Amino acid sequence: NAGVTQTPKFQVLKTGQSMTLQCAQDMNHEYMSWYRQDPGMGLRLIHYSVGAGITDQGEVPNGYNVSRSTTEDFPLRLLSAAPSQTSVYFCASERQGGTEAFFGQGTRLTVV
Amino acid sequence: SQQGEEDPQALSIQEGENATMNCSYKTSINNLQWYRQNSGRGLVHLILIRSNEREKHSGRLRVTLDTSKKSSSLLITASRAADTASYFCATAGNSGYSTLTFGKGTMLLVSP
Repeated sequence: NAGVTQTPKFQVLKTGQSMTLQCAQDMNHEYMSWYRQDPGMGLRLIHYSVGAGITDQGEVPNGYNVSRSTTEDFPLRLLSAAPSQTSVYFCASERQGGTEAFFGQGTRLTVV
Repeated sequence: SQQGEEDPQALSIQEGENATMNCSYKTSINNLQWYRQNSGRGLVHLILIRSNEREKHSGRLRVTLDTSKKSSSLLITASRAADTASYFCATAGNSGYSTLTFGKGTMLLVSP
């Protein structure tokens, strides 16, 4: 099992560009989440999904879109990148909400 | 907003010493979890303690939970240089679609 796989590992964007961060899990977990990690801020929840076709906003959803068409995949879309979105992004999956979370290795995004 | 707050923010000890980290939270929980993050990597789940449990052990890890004080502690005994990492607590609420809320972390440095 690969667990949770995120791509790309690193990305540099220009302000205003859009892109999609990919996340896939092979554990058949219902819950998937996206977090951003900034220095001194810990992890903050962006969006999450409790199953295919169901998504909801977290603490910091502005500027991001998600969709969940399959159990395995949960992409995060940046609509128009801003320097404030420079961060490390982590995808995680859980068998069900509030249980052990499995994290990907992260995507380090820089917006210039 | 952050649910859990770790204390201290940073901790520096020698190999063989014990390391204690604390976490305080604000609202009622279903469980509390501890995660480790090595530099540049994703978070790894260490241990989960449920709200009706007071203490739990896993190898060199000991976690306590005091729901009356809304606090938890993580004790790492006989620390090793390989324990150098950031440690985060995360709380899971009682609602059906519970998400994890992470604290800002404690950075532990274990010197040989």
